[in-house]
Amino acid sequence: ETGVTQSPTHLIKTRGQQVTLRCSSQSGHNTVSWYQQALGQGPQFIFQYYREEENGRGNFPPRFSGLQFPNYSSELNVNALELDDSALYLCASSLGQGNGYTFGSGTRLTVV
Amino acid sequence: GENVEQHPSTLSVQEGDSAVIKCTYSDSASNYFPWYKQELGKRPQLIIDIRSNVGEKKDQRIAVTLNKTAKHFSLHITETQPEDSAVYFCAAADSSYKLIFGSGTRLLVRP
Repeated sequence: ETGVTQSPTHLIKTRGQQVTLRCSSQSGHNTVSWYQQALGQGPQFIFQYYREEENGRGNFPPRFSGLQFPNYSSELNVNALELDDSALYLCASSLGQGNGYTFGSGTRLTVV
Repeated sequence: GENVEQHPSTLSVQEGDSAVIKCTYSDSASNYFPWYKQELGKRPQLIIDIRSNVGEKKDQRIAVTLNKTAKHFSLHITETQPEDSAVYFCAAADSSYKLIFGSGTRLLVRP
């Protein structure tokens, strides 16, 4: 059984640019959530996808968008990057909603 | 929306002692309460979770208690070991299963 994998592991972008982060869910998991974790803080919910549909969104602006593919992998896109977007972005998957979420190792995004 | 508060922010215990971390939540609709352990530079790892129809759950040295009336839940680690040192996060979720995390507790177990 494979775990949750995220790519890339680290990324440096310039303010105003766009970024795409990728997540492969654990085998058999059909639910994917994305979280932003700033340094020294708890993860903040961005949005969740269940069977390719967004079914929950946190308090993030529309420039944060996502996709889930038929194989349940997912992308997080962030447009018009701001310095405050610098954080660890975590993807978590589960089998259905309400079961234990397994987190990936994250992508550390630095916006300069 | 849901708000989760976690205390203390740091906790230092002697090896072999017990550690208790407490969380409160605001939304009475929350029904799922996981705890995650995050070591420096690593992913959060689920260590135990509890649902609202249960008051207590144990897994070896780790236990979680839930008081629905008071809207608080706690993590108990007994016989602490140096490898228990990490940041611990509580979280709460309602039927949407959007996890709302606490701010974390940095646990240091002194040898």
